[in-house]
Amino acid sequence: AQSVTQLGSHVSVSEGALVLLRCNYSSSVPPYLFWYVQYPNQGLQLLLKYTSAATLVKGINGFEAEFKKSETSFHLTKPSAHMSDAAEYFCAVSSYSTLTFGKGTMLLVSP
Amino acid sequence: NAGVTQTPKFQVLKTGQSMTLQCAQDMNHNSMYWYRQDPGMGLRLIYYSASEGTTDKGEVPNGYNVSRLNKREFSLRLESAAPSQTSVYFCASSVQDSNTGELFFGEGSRLTVL
Repeated sequence: AQSVTQLGSHVSVSEGALVLLRCNYSSSVPPYLFWYVQYPNQGLQLLLKYTSAATLVKGINGFEAEFKKSETSFHLTKPSAHMSDAAEYFCAVSSYSTLTFGKGTMLLVSP
Repeated sequence: NAGVTQTPKFQVLKTGQSMTLQCAQDMNHNSMYWYRQDPGMGLRLIYYSASEGTTDKGEVPNGYNVSRLNKREFSLRLESAAPSQTSVYFCASSVQDSNTGELFFGEGSRLTVL
C-alpha cells in the first residue's frame, strides 16, 4: 500500500528564512503526490500536485516541490517565509481511488 | 460558491448516543469522502463514495455507516458513539477519484463524546 512519511511534526523558521518541509513516499507504482495546507479551524486546501509531468512543481503562495524518484522524496520548499505561512502542512499520496495523508507538519513562523 | 458544506459544526454526545453528520457539495462532483483528523495522526479515511450509488470502506470504518443519498449528499452516521470517536470530521469531494484530482474539503465538524 502507498504511504507517506513526514519528517518533523513541528518546524520553526524566522520570517524571511527558507522553508523546507520533508516528505518521503512509499509506492509500488509511479505515484501521484500532493501537498495540502490547513489553516486554523479550516479544512485542507491544495497547495500543489505532482502527476508525472514536470518533476519540479510550482504551487500557490510561492511554494514548490521537487519529485525525486531516486530518493523517494517530495519535499516542499519556499524561499522566504511569511507570517501568513504559519499553518499545518500535509503530504499525501494517491492510493487506489483515495488519498493517503501523512501525519502533518506544523510550520511556525516567528518575526 | 458554497463548495462543501458540513453540518453540524460542533456536537457533544454522550456515550451510546447516535448522530448523523451531513455533507453536501454543489460542484457536481462524482466522488465524496469522510475523513477524521486526530492530533498527531493526520487524516484517516473512514468511508468514501467513488460515484453515486457506491460506497467503500476506508482505513478506519468501524463504528460508522454512510449513505450516499444522491450525487450532492454523503452522510456519516455514528450508531452508538464512543469516546474514541471524539475527533474532527472532514467531508471532501472530487470530480472523479482522487488519484489525479483535487479534493475539496469542508470546514469540519468537531465531535466530542463524553
